Amino acid sequence: QVQLVQSGDEVKKPGASVKVSCKASGDTFTSYAIHWVRQAPGQRLEWMGWINGGNGDTKYSQKFQDRVTITGDTSAYTAHMELSSLTSEDTAVYYCATSGADGNWLDPWGQGTLITVSS
Amino acid sequence: DIVMTQSPDSLAVSLGERATINCKSSQSVLYSSNNKSYLAWYQQKPGQPPKLLIYWASTRQSGVPDRFSGSGSGTDFTLTISSLQAEDVAVYYCQQYYNTPFTFGPGTKVDIK
Repeated sequence: QVQLVQSGDEVKKPGASVKVSCKASGDTFTSYAIHWVRQAPGQRLEWMGWINGGNGDTKYSQKFQDRVTITGDTSAYTAHMELSSLTSEDTAVYYCATSGADGNWLDPWGQGTLITVSS
Repeated sequence: DIVMTQSPDSLAVSLGERATINCKSSQSVLYSSNNKSYLAWYQQKPGQPPKLLIYWASTRQSGVPDRFSGSGSGTDFTLTISSLQAEDVAVYYCQQYYNTPFTFGPGTKVDIK
């Protein structure tokens, strides 16, 4: 089964951008969709968007449409999520997760990347 | 967007007793063409990512103990832990994957009484 390993925690200034990576191993990257979900302190899980690993198509939550870009590098089995114009409200743990062709339940998940936005 | 709600917010159950968590969606997540409800359940322990327990509202993920079961259809769903074990202390989330944006419930915290 695929395993997902994310890049490390980061601290960013307000107004900056952050790019988080998610490397898939153990299976074919193109067989999956990669989703990005975030969890702010004390908040529920929030779906941000996804990329189809096979054809590169993306879809974003309208909430993040103007600030998020999800890309994929199939040769490196890696997906990236870039979030711009950061504010303190973007402080959260960001997860990548996969879904298969049968349905969009999320399994497995990456270990999470803590992004802290602070001046 | 489909809004997911859960009840209760938290519950404490004695070891070996039953725990029941409810989830409700603001609109039906039942797809009539295949008669499947697009609803999943996850378990999250502190400092860990969520772990998939149930999909299609009632299909247990491989490797998940059979004390976990899911039921319901349309807008109302239930996750049941038939005999609570110490390792089941966690927060449980439901998620609809009927349409985007996929949305999650606020979570239910399960503790030992």
